[in-house]
Amino acid sequence: EDKVVQSPLSLVVHEGDTVTLNCSYEVTNFRSLLWYKQEKKAPTFLFMLTSSGIEKKSGRLSSILDKKELFSILNITATQTGDSAVYLCAGIYNTDKLIFGTGTRLQVFP
Amino acid sequence: NAGVTQTPKFQVLKTGQSMTLQCAQDMNHEYMSWYRQDPGMGLRLIHYSVGAGITDQGEVPNGYNVSRSTTEDFPLRLLSAAPSQTSVYFCASRTGPTLGEKLFFGSGTQLSVL
Repeated sequence: EDKVVQSPLSLVVHEGDTVTLNCSYEVTNFRSLLWYKQEKKAPTFLFMLTSSGIEKKSGRLSSILDKKELFSILNITATQTGDSAVYLCAGIYNTDKLIFGTGTRLQVFP
Repeated sequence: NAGVTQTPKFQVLKTGQSMTLQCAQDMNHEYMSWYRQDPGMGLRLIHYSVGAGITDQGEVPNGYNVSRSTTEDFPLRLLSAAPSQTSVYFCASRTGPTLGEKLFFGSGTQLSVL
């Protein structure tokens, strides 16, 4: 059964901390992995990862994919209260389907 | 710069009622999809379409119908609403099964079935 598992389910940190969010997948005919940030409503796109070992970076956020070990991590350095959100990862597989993990809820306190 | 537009934003139904959630995109995306999001369950795919006239089932299709008569529109129909269909529904679109295929989401519909 295809699945995407995220850990931890929930994380509480203080501003300035660095966090690492994990996403492991078992997806038939895997093509790509995507990370999204969901604050109050619609998820917003962060990264798409297709190649193993190549880090994608956007400001304080970075992500990398390991296709041999079937996982990805999302790092956030120097966290801010505005980083508080649910972070979702999703695997693209077979013919155009995405399967999402349940998400990691990050709370950043001042 | 509309992107993906969903209506309504909120809806309350009684068990057995039918309704249609509307979704439209103005980006000429071939691929459109419907997800539902429940607490602790992540986003689950209901139905999707790879182009006008083509639809297919996702993970949780029961109780829902879709059609795709135009590239722009992808309505989701609840034929006989049940309390188990209480959820937040998201429509999403993307360019297609090629690289650079990130999803664009609508703002969601909060549906309650009493």
